[in-house]
Amino acid sequence: GAGVSQSPSNKVTEKGKDVELRCDPISGHTALYWYRQSLGQGLEFLIYFQGNSAPDKSGLPSDRFSAERTGGSVSTLTIQRTQQEDSAVYLCASSFDSSNQPQHFGDGTRLSIL
Amino acid sequence: AQSVTQLGSHVSVSEGALVLLRCNYSSSVPPYLFWYVQYPNQGLQLLLKYTSAATLVKGINGFEAEFKKSETSFHLTKPSAHMSDAAEYFCAVSDRPGGYNKLIFGAGTRLAVHP
Repeated sequence: GAGVSQSPSNKVTEKGKDVELRCDPISGHTALYWYRQSLGQGLEFLIYFQGNSAPDKSGLPSDRFSAERTGGSVSTLTIQRTQQEDSAVYLCASSFDSSNQPQHFGDGTRLSIL
Repeated sequence: AQSVTQLGSHVSVSEGALVLLRCNYSSSVPPYLFWYVQYPNQGLQLLLKYTSAATLVKGINGFEAEFKKSETSFHLTKPSAHMSDAAEYFCAVSDRPGGYNKLIFGAGTRLAVHP
C-alpha cells in the first residue's frame, strides 16, 4: 500500500495475555519507529530500527515489551503478560532514512486491556 | 534533555479567524522541529518541519510556523481557520541523538473551530 499499515486496528484482551501488534512500513523506508499514545503520558517513543543496525530500545517501558523487524521491513511489537496500564494506541512510523526525512505514521492499534 | 511545551491544551476559534498554536522547545543542540496533526482515529500527519534552513516554514493546508531561536519557539499559525482544521495538533522536537529523528512530542493542543 501507499502508507504505513498497522494491524489489528483494535485489540481487546484480558490482563495477563500476550499480544502482538504488526507494522508494515512504506516500501523503501529503512527507518521504523514505534510510539505509544496514552491519556496519561501523551506520545512516547518506544523503539527505533534502522536497516540492519541494532535497534534503539531505550523507550521500552519494561522487559515485557519487545520488538523485532524481520528482513528490514515488517515489524512486530510484542507485549507479554499485559497489564491495564498497557492500554493505549500504539503508533508505528517509517521514514526514508535516518536523517531529516519526515516520519510517516500509520493509523495505530488501539489496545484495550480488560 | 529535550522537551516541548505546548501552551493551551484546548484552543477555540471562529471560522475565518486567525489560528495560533504555541510551542516552546528545549534542546541542547540545534533542533529539528515538527508540527503534526491528528484527526480522530487516525495517525499523525506531518504539517511542516524545520531543519535549520529558512526560519519561516510553510506547510500543508495553509499552515506555517516560524522558528525563533531567541524565544525557543516554533508557533503554528494559519490566517483563516476552516471547519476542517478541527483536530489535535502536536509539536515535536528532535536533536538527532545518534543521528536519527527520535521525536519528543508536546502534550498536544486540541483545536475547535466554530461557525
